[in-house]
Amino acid sequence: NAGVTQTPKFRVLKTGQSMTLLCAQDMNHEYMYWYRQDPGMGLRLIHYSVGEGTTAKGEVPDGYNVSRLKKQNFLLGLESAAPSQTSVYFCASRPLQRLAKNIQYFGAGTRLSVL
Amino acid sequence: AQKITQTQPGMFVQEKEAVTLDCTYDTSDQSYGLFWYKQPSSGEMIFLIYQGSYDEQNATEGRYSLNFQKARKSANLVISASQLGDSAMYFCAMREGNNAGNMLTFGGGTRLMVKP
Repeated sequence: NAGVTQTPKFRVLKTGQSMTLLCAQDMNHEYMYWYRQDPGMGLRLIHYSVGEGTTAKGEVPDGYNVSRLKKQNFLLGLESAAPSQTSVYFCASRPLQRLAKNIQYFGAGTRLSVL
Repeated sequence: AQKITQTQPGMFVQEKEAVTLDCTYDTSDQSYGLFWYKQPSSGEMIFLIYQGSYDEQNATEGRYSLNFQKARKSANLVISASQLGDSAMYFCAMREGNNAGNMLTFGGGTRLMVKP
């Protein structure tokens, strides 16, 4: 019963390095999301996808890129990491059904530190 | 202006007592949804309860209930008979109208600590 799986769980980067965070869901959900959570704050949306091959910007997209080549996977990329991107990153997904409660299901998070 | 406001950064409650976590929201949409999520110290986000703007009755899920006061734009979470395992961060969130991505906006959270 995997649900939403994020890899890696922890990562430490040096400023300027690049990395990709992987989110995989096995619930056949159409929508997928990437959020960041900073201390003392709620989650803020970085990018989202409403289906395979589509992506859109959220509230705080600068410095990040995303791709959704397969329905079950949503990748978040940092091309040149900065200390301001130190955060906990959450992936979420939800189904398309119009009558659903629009509940988003979250992964366990990735803790990223940029030195 | 903040769309979701949680005014209680931290709260204590005695085990077995009830506690109310406040959430006010700001939207001009007629159709919207309100959510509460729990984040224990392990870090995952756990969905607790949902209230639709057109729902006439307050939502309930086990020990959780949502006190929805539409005119006051408040959606407070009530936890009855608190347990030690309820100690966590609690986030209120809103989905506005029919935004293309069904995106959620989160409040800053309330840390609940249950005392034995």
